[in-house]
Amino acid sequence: ETGVTQTPRHLVMGMTNKKSLKCEQHLGHNAMYWYKQSAKKPLELMFVYSLEERVENNSVPSRFSPECPNSSHLFLHLHTLQPEDSALYLCASSQDNWGDEKLFFGSGTQLSVL
Amino acid sequence: AQTVTQSQPEMSVQEAETVTLSCTYDTSENNYYLFWYKQPPSRQMILVIRQEAYKQQNATENRFSVNFQKAAKSFSLKISDSQLGDTAMYFCAFMVNTDKLIFGTGTRLQVFP
Repeated sequence: ETGVTQTPRHLVMGMTNKKSLKCEQHLGHNAMYWYKQSAKKPLELMFVYSLEERVENNSVPSRFSPECPNSSHLFLHLHTLQPEDSALYLCASSQDNWGDEKLFFGSGTQLSVL
Repeated sequence: AQTVTQSQPEMSVQEAETVTLSCTYDTSENNYYLFWYKQPPSRQMILVIRQEAYKQQNATENRFSVNFQKAAKSFSLKISDSQLGDTAMYFCAFMVNTDKLIFGTGTRLQVFP
């Protein structure tokens, strides 16, 4: 039991498809995050939710749309992606969004955009 | 700009030996937190060790320890008695106050039997 579960593990989609990534945390945390991990690049923070409210959006293109219906679930809706969006998308959670909190990560969704 | 640099893309070590992964960072802030995360082939990132910048004493967690040199802005990770299960990507990261976590590009560590 990892505490943070992501589905699907792998996803291949065309540029015109609409798909969603799902993240669920079983740790009772209040903050959840989406990160993008591309080869040979630092992890990029995409979105932060604290108590179901978005607190950070790092200039992410609108083709990525997050949703946090409750503190345990986080989605990333994908629409008309580009091949350069191919990457590992990691979800994480922490007790709160106070800066020094330990992050707990899921195993990611490996996304390939054709 | 706040940055993290990991100058070793790949490292290897023999089982039971010691290896040190380097990390430098750049910030003008005085209070911040430093982290090392491990990402094994399962892809799940796991916190290895954490250091508060205001603490002079180096953090240790079992076989993992850090050499924190604040003036040099250096934060290296030492793995003692390396085990096969230590094979992974290792990411150095730091966070200023409540700002976002900034990661380096990672070091791939291979432990050989």
